[in-house]
Amino acid sequence: GAGVSQSPSNKVTEKGKDVELRCDPISGHTALYWYRQSLGQGLEFLIYFQGNSAPDKSGLPSDRFSAERTGGSVSTLTIQRTQQEDSAVYLCASSLAMGEQYFGPGTRLTVT
Amino acid sequence: GDSVTQMEGPVTLSEEAFLTINCTYTATGYPSLFWYVQYPGEGLQLLLKATKADDKGSNKGFEATYRKETTSFHLEKGSVQVSDSAVYFCALSAGNRDDKIIFGKGTRLHILP
Repeated sequence: GAGVSQSPSNKVTEKGKDVELRCDPISGHTALYWYRQSLGQGLEFLIYFQGNSAPDKSGLPSDRFSAERTGGSVSTLTIQRTQQEDSAVYLCASSLAMGEQYFGPGTRLTVT
Repeated sequence: GDSVTQMEGPVTLSEEAFLTINCTYTATGYPSLFWYVQYPGEGLQLLLKATKADDKGSNKGFEATYRKETTSFHLEKGSVQVSDSAVYFCALSAGNRDDKIIFGKGTRLHILP
């Protein structure tokens, strides 16, 4: 069946611009996670959605980062006023509650 | 806070060599432990997991044992293949409502034919 998909696969943007990254989780998965993979920082948790509960935003690095999940399915991660240190691969994962997390292929963001 | 420390890479071995990638963790409570693998050009995949002390996770010839006394979860394989070349991440999850995964920095493994 279809796995987690993310778009775009690559995004190059100029410093100061806003970007939106999209994640389509596996159908029926109630939990959705965003992580960031960058050189020197490894894989960092960003934000977690579980059903209708308030999201866990404890990993967001600054208030320039936000995410929403509409209708309990698709999620969008928005980065405002991008900085060069935002350059990374942004990974999305989904799972059934307390189950194995399945990862998407990621979006590679390059801020010039 | 919870954390995972794994040996730095890159690790380069010849085919059929024995592999160990060390991983230790710090956590309150009783976390679940994982090894994820990222093959070149592909996404992260769960390789194996263990959910309680003394459990052994295994998959594709890889094994790791949850050692509470040493807070370790070392990854081993008796005979590596070129196709095992990848980046390996040790990780933990507290297993509560908040079951985000905390990853180590990853170890790049390169197997020579």
